[in-house]
Amino acid sequence: GAVVSQHPSRVICKSGTSVKIECRSLDFQATTMFWYRQFPKQSLMLMATSNEGSKATYEQGVEKDKFLINHASLTLSTLTVTSAHPEDSSFYICSATDLSSYNEQFFGPGTRLTVL
Amino acid sequence: DAKTTQPTSMDCAEGRAANLPCNHSTISGNEYVYWYRQIHSQGPQYIIHGLKNNETNEMASLIITEDRKSSTLILPHATLRDTAVYYCIVRLGHSGSARQLTFGSGTQLTVLP
Repeated sequence: GAVVSQHPSRVICKSGTSVKIECRSLDFQATTMFWYRQFPKQSLMLMATSNEGSKATYEQGVEKDKFLINHASLTLSTLTVTSAHPEDSSFYICSATDLSSYNEQFFGPGTRLTVL
Repeated sequence: DAKTTQPTSMDCAEGRAANLPCNHSTISGNEYVYWYRQIHSQGPQYIIHGLKNNETNEMASLIITEDRKSSTLILPHATLRDTAVYYCIVRLGHSGSARQLTFGSGTQLTVLP
């Protein structure tokens, strides 16, 4: 099956710094990637939808200036958490859809962000 | 997308079949039923999806009632590695554009030795 990777898998940073998370589709081209956030013992919540070559669409309540998304190629999307605060500590997960099929989303392994 | 209702948690003995129910009484005719699972601290994993016919793959079987208002995911021989949160999601399928998945709270399946 299609493989999606995320890097880093785990990051610890100081409050006020920025953190970039990469999401890559390894063996397929993804026109659309989704970014989710998951707090402990909660379900995944969609943050934004990222389409290659265009601006991301953010869900209500998600600050686009704080969570910068770039989808510059068909295999790479990045999420940058700017001026991170402890409340941004969470599990960030991306998913991608294959050009040939809109029925399946392939998820990355997730990135655990801890802001001190 | 239609809302789904799942039990919060279930236990299953190792080697036995795990039957996970899902209610989706407001499903519309062109919405598919998807199942994903999430093992602790990992990304979700696709299991299976269907429209109205029962489906089977190497991981599981999906049984959808004739009125499509509910479905059951069956893991025929559960193993300890099947312990995870299982999400039932209803979503438009061949819509011509990618659509996000809306995750509910899912069912925590615990496979007991």
